[in-house]
Amino acid sequence: GQNIDQPTEMTATEGAIVQINCTYQTSGFNGLFWYQQHAGEAPTFLSYNVLDGLEEKGRFSSFLSRSKGYSYLLLKELQMKDSASYLCAVRDSNYQLIWGAGTKLIIKP
Amino acid sequence: IAGITQAPTSQILAAGRRMTLRCTQDMRHNAMYWYRQDLGLGLRLIHYSNTAGTTGKGEVPDGYSVSRANTDDFPLTLASAVPSQTSVYFCASSDSGSGSNEQFFGPGTRLTVL
Repeated sequence: GQNIDQPTEMTATEGAIVQINCTYQTSGFNGLFWYQQHAGEAPTFLSYNVLDGLEEKGRFSSFLSRSKGYSYLLLKELQMKDSASYLCAVRDSNYQLIWGAGTKLIIKP
Repeated sequence: IAGITQAPTSQILAAGRRMTLRCTQDMRHNAMYWYRQDLGLGLRLIHYSNTAGTTGKGEVPDGYSVSRANTDDFPLTLASAVPSQTSVYFCASSDSGSGSNEQFFGPGTRLTVL
C-alpha cells in the first residue's frame, strides 16, 4: 500500500527553527510537495522537490532523499502567522498526489 | 473570477437528497481534481479530469460523479447523500505543462449530511 507519515502535531517558539519530517512509501515517485494550510482555509503550495537535496525559498527550505523515502520542511525565524498545518504529498507512478494527514504546527510567543 | 471558486461555501443536506458542488477555474488549467478532507486523514482524491471531456476515478469515488464539459468547470454530484459524506470538499486544478505541476486549491465547501 501507499503511505505518507508525518508527525501529528509540533510546538515551537517564535523566532526559532523547526523541522517537520515526512517519510513515504509509494508506488513510484514523481516529486514531493509541501503545502501550508491555515485552519478553515485551502492548502497553498510551498515547495516541490524531485531531485535529492535542499531547495531554499526564503525562510522555508525543503529537503529530499529518494533512497531513504524521506523529506523535511525547515522553517526558520518562526512567526506567529506560521501556525498552520503542513501537508506532505508525493506524486506516484500514476501522477496522482498521495497526501499525508498533515502536521499541525503551534507557535508560542 | 481569480483562481478557483467553489459554491456553495457550506451546506446542510438531508440524507437521500441529491447535491451538486460547483467548481470553476479561470487559469485555463487542463487538469482538475476533487478531494475530500476529513479530520485525521490526508486529502483523498475522489475524481479527477486530465483534460476537458475526460474523467477518472480516484481513491474514494463511490457515491460521487463528475463531468468535464469544458476547461473551466468541474462539478461534483452526490446522487443520494449519506452521513459518511459529511466532509470538507476541495476542488483543485493544475497545468500539466508547468515544471512542478503543482495543484491550486479552491476555498472549499463544508458539507454536512444529516
